[in-house]
Amino acid sequence: QKEVEQNSGPLSVPEGAIASLNCTYSDRGSQSFFWYRQYSGKSPELIMSIYSNGDKEDGRFTAQLNKASQYVSLLIRDSQPSDSATYLCAVNGGDYGQNFVFGPGTRLSVLP
Amino acid sequence: GAVVSQHPSRVICKSGTSVKIECRSLDFQATTMFWYRQFPKQSLMLMATSNEGSKATYEQGVEKDKFLINHASLTLSTLTVTSAHPEDSSFYICSVNPSSGGYNEQFFGPGTRLTVL
Repeated sequence: QKEVEQNSGPLSVPEGAIASLNCTYSDRGSQSFFWYRQYSGKSPELIMSIYSNGDKEDGRFTAQLNKASQYVSLLIRDSQPSDSATYLCAVNGGDYGQNFVFGPGTRLSVLP
Repeated sequence: GAVVSQHPSRVICKSGTSVKIECRSLDFQATTMFWYRQFPKQSLMLMATSNEGSKATYEQGVEKDKFLINHASLTLSTLTVTSAHPEDSSFYICSVNPSSGGYNEQFFGPGTRLTVL
């Protein structure tokens, strides 16, 4: 069964710290990887996409992809209380085709 | 990105009634739109792929006769929940994939929260 797995959390970090969110996927043919942020009661918002191995940085966010280990992560530097949300990992391609498969999400709480 | 709207944002209805949810792509023409459902504290589950000018493609376990999808134009897809029951209460979200610049990204509408009494 094709799956995307995440630690459900909650992950609590103090303000200003680095938050590290992890995601593993089972379909080795997956090609595209995404991180979405979802505030309570709202729809998901795309914050990062990554397509090749290595790191991709955008402001305080860094996505890391390791296809050999079937692992993708998101680092949030200088975490702020406004970063408190659920972070969804999504995977596309391979056996999923054009469909996106979402992980269960990790709830992040940044403590002031 | 892409700008997507949904209407209504929230609906409360009695059991047995039908509810129509509209999804509009505001800044590009979408031949394909996606409909998701999200129950409390769960992740998004793809219900169906809406295709302009042809039948929608439903995911396994989703009743096509209960969840009617119409993609009448390149900017509008509708989801009708027929004979809604309390177990249909959920957060319904549509998305589009502009596939611009060769990148495959989905952008979501604000969602519609359905409560069936």
